[in-house]
Amino acid sequence: NAGVMQNPRHLVRRRGQEARLRCSPMKGHSHVYWYRQLPEEGLKFMVYLQKENIIDESGMPKERFSAEFPKEGPSILRIQQVVRGDSAAYFCASSRQPGQRQSYGYTFGSGTRLTVV
Amino acid sequence: AQSVTQLDSHVSVSEGTPVLLRCNYSSSYSPSLFWYVQHPNKGLQLLLKYTSAATLVKGINGFEAEFKKSETSFHLTKPSAHMSDAAEYFCVILTGGGNKLTFGTGTQLKVEL
Repeated sequence: NAGVMQNPRHLVRRRGQEARLRCSPMKGHSHVYWYRQLPEEGLKFMVYLQKENIIDESGMPKERFSAEFPKEGPSILRIQQVVRGDSAAYFCASSRQPGQRQSYGYTFGSGTRLTVV
Repeated sequence: AQSVTQLDSHVSVSEGTPVLLRCNYSSSYSPSLFWYVQHPNKGLQLLLKYTSAATLVKGINGFEAEFKKSETSFHLTKPSAHMSDAAEYFCVILTGGGNKLTFGTGTQLKVEL
């Protein structure tokens, strides 16, 4: 029973390149969340997706960042034209069905550490 | 708006002594609260969660936390620290109508011999 799988674990990009981060949720989980952890800080919510739908993107930067969770395949967080300030650890979490108090089962992946040089 | 405040950015204890990591919350209704641990360059592991059942919550690795409404606190404790407990600990509250987690700024726990 694999947990939340994120790849790659480490990603190095030059300024101006694109970064694609992938997240496969736990089996049976249809809700995916992306969080960003800047150096020396806690995690900050970015976006919440269900299959083929963005439910809440209130934490996403307005430009260069996008996320998707297609019907088939993993969720993708895409960062275009990366800058040094995008260097961070990006974590994905998944759950069955949020909003039900007895089922708050968020499982986090091990993260992707993005370094922009 | 719901939020959590971790009162100490760094805590240092000796192995075998008690651990206390402090967290206060702000919420207009009964919150759902969590403690997560993050070891260096690793992902997040759930230690325990409070979802309006028993106010004393037992978690993994001997940790527990007590929800105190009168003090708006949810402090994490462990009777006896182990070297392997050295990590960063995050107090977290469920927000956004149950759709997102809001993290505290973290407490770095150091365990010395």
